[in-house]
Amino acid sequence: DTEVTQTPKHLVMGMTNKKSLKCEQHMGHRAMYWYKQKAKKPPELMFVYSYEKLSINESVPSRFSPECPNSSLLNLHLHALQPEDSALYLCASSQGQNSNQPQHFGDGTRLSIL
Amino acid sequence: DAKTTQPPSMDCAEGRAANLPCNHSTISGNEYVYWYRQIHSQGPQYIIHGLKNNETNEMASLIITEDRKSSTLILPHATLRDTAVYYCIVRVDPLKPGGSYIPTFGRGTSLIVHP
Repeated sequence: DTEVTQTPKHLVMGMTNKKSLKCEQHMGHRAMYWYKQKAKKPPELMFVYSYEKLSINESVPSRFSPECPNSSLLNLHLHALQPEDSALYLCASSQGQNSNQPQHFGDGTRLSIL
Repeated sequence: DAKTTQPPSMDCAEGRAANLPCNHSTISGNEYVYWYRQIHSQGPQYIIHGLKNNETNEMASLIITEDRKSSTLILPHATLRDTAVYYCIVRVDPLKPGGSYIPTFGRGTSLIVHP
């Protein structure tokens, strides 16, 4: 079991669809993260939110749009994705962006683009 | 960034100790060493972290050499459920230019525990 909850667990969408991935934590963490992980590769950082403000965008294409409505929730809005965007999308949280406390990860959303 | 080097794969017999090495020769000052693991189809799971001293928790032990240039994660009695990819990460001092505690994942070590 994980303290970071991601929904849905699986998502299949066409290239013209709009969908959203959701992430929730109730540990009082003030930093939240999105990672992308392709098969047999390590997770790659996409975005970081610190105190509900976007802190880091690792040059992610604009078809991925993050949102942090409050300190417990993190969304990733998807629009006009490409087949190469098929991957496992992981959410994580930590006490703070510059805290030495570890990150806690969800089990991810497995996204397939048709 | 402080980089890490890990063997791509290892195997271990069930019930025996699994010793996973990591080299981080460019580590400096107050940079911590973290270990995570990722079991198939799950998100990464935090295991342990340390700065200078050896650390132990209910999952594993972390042995850091005196010069801090390498470390070893020890799973004292490996089980089949410990089969996973193990990531050793050095989180760069956020006070350094371009530094932050956000971990950067390398390729890790794929540990297979066999009966």
